[in-house]
Amino acid sequence: GENVEQHPSTLSVQEGDSAVIKCTYSDSASNYFPWYKQELGKRPQLIIDIRSNVGEKKDQRIAVTLNKTAKHFSLHITETQPEDSAVYFCAARYNFNKFYFGSGTKLNVKP
Amino acid sequence: GAVVSQHPSRVICKSGTSVKIECRSLDFQATTMFWYRQFPKQSLMLMATSNEGSKATYEQGVEKDKFLINHASLTLSTLTVTSAHPEDSSFYICSATDGKGEKLFFGSGTQLSVL
Repeated sequence: GENVEQHPSTLSVQEGDSAVIKCTYSDSASNYFPWYKQELGKRPQLIIDIRSNVGEKKDQRIAVTLNKTAKHFSLHITETQPEDSAVYFCAARYNFNKFYFGSGTKLNVKP
Repeated sequence: GAVVSQHPSRVICKSGTSVKIECRSLDFQATTMFWYRQFPKQSLMLMATSNEGSKATYEQGVEKDKFLINHASLTLSTLTVTSAHPEDSSFYICSATDGKGEKLFFGSGTQLSVL
């Protein structure tokens, strides 16, 4: 299967600053990498994703970068706001089928 | 995005009883659904892949006789926790890929508490 590692486990930033969360994956067969935001007691929500044939994707304040050679991808949030506070999970889709998740990053944006 | 419905949202049961959790895709047909388990402040652990019309595929370490999965139709998968024990208490969440088979969408989850 696939092994996804995620860092850091917790991240505190001041409102307006940027936040970066990094993930690595183990299997080069993984070809799709989504990011999810999960608020307490709620379901994970897809916030951005990237396919393996793309190096970078941006959606307003959120961007994701992918380095296939190094097998790592990162989530970048600019101009953070208190409502960005949540747990963020990266994931890798393995073998066109299964999704494996990182351990999660608890982001705290301080007003 | 695709809508995945999960019921019940919360269940409390006595040790030794069985609990069934339903997962439905509301606006698309899901040939494949996934069941995850999440402990407090931890990640989503893939338990099994549910395939319509065939047996589920379980991840290593997951007891298939404990966690029975049935994918009876293209819109419904069920997870039955048999003879539940306190250590089975957890947040169980189902998911399905959308009609294109790419993006993964989650149900609202079921908090199971076994007394």
